Amino acid sequence: DIQMTQSPSSLSASVGDRVTITCQASQDISNYLNWYQQKPGKAPKLLIYDASNLETGVPSRFSGSGSGTDFTFTISSLQPEDIATYYCQQYDNLRGLTFGGGTKVEIK
Amino acid sequence: EVQLVESGGGLVQPGRSLRLSCTASGFTFGDYAMSWVRQAPGKGLEWVGFIRSKAYGGTTEYAASVKGRFTISRDDSKSIAYLQMNSLKTEDTAVYYCTRGSAGTLLNWGQGTLVTVSS
Repeated sequence: DIQMTQSPSSLSASVGDRVTITCQASQDISNYLNWYQQKPGKAPKLLIYDASNLETGVPSRFSGSGSGTDFTFTISSLQPEDIATYYCQQYDNLRGLTFGGGTKVEIK
Repeated sequence: EVQLVESGGGLVQPGRSLRLSCTASGFTFGDYAMSWVRQAPGKGLEWVGFIRSKAYGGTTEYAASVKGRFTISRDDSKSIAYLQMNSLKTEDTAVYYCTRGSAGTLLNWGQGTLVTVSS
């Protein structure tokens, strides 16, 4: 099974800061990597698909990059409404999906 | 607008069964894979399983933690996906989300339904 290691598990940043989250796959997954946002008490929401494609309607301050085993998710300028937990998810072999452990983002 | 509404959650004793339903609207249900994802209280997301569309055989895949106990099915005529959960364990306690998928990407999520396994 493919394991996804996401870091950090939590972070605290100021409004306007650049925030970066990383996700590492245990084997090459090409670009089969998605990012989701989950606000407290809500269902997750797709933000980025195929490593770097912004889902329709998602603000452009969110971005993703990477391929192979190493991926990065960035919020270019943190906003108060971005307080949430973010998850990466791989789907390399289409026989199963795996999520990273999540990163809780808080405002400093 | 895509809508996914889960139902059927509740309190159940260990070893018993429960069936969740996911009623979909706003898209051509039969064209998409449907996945179930769960989240234990205070924990992260865990994929449970999915069922492919009929165009891809309508076959299923499951996480190792539920394989042999859980079964996913679909009724395209009613736009409903099901999660049949047997031999439930306390560690199956979670909010269960239904999702619409495309090639491994979970495009839309329902609001979730809570399953509590306890004696």
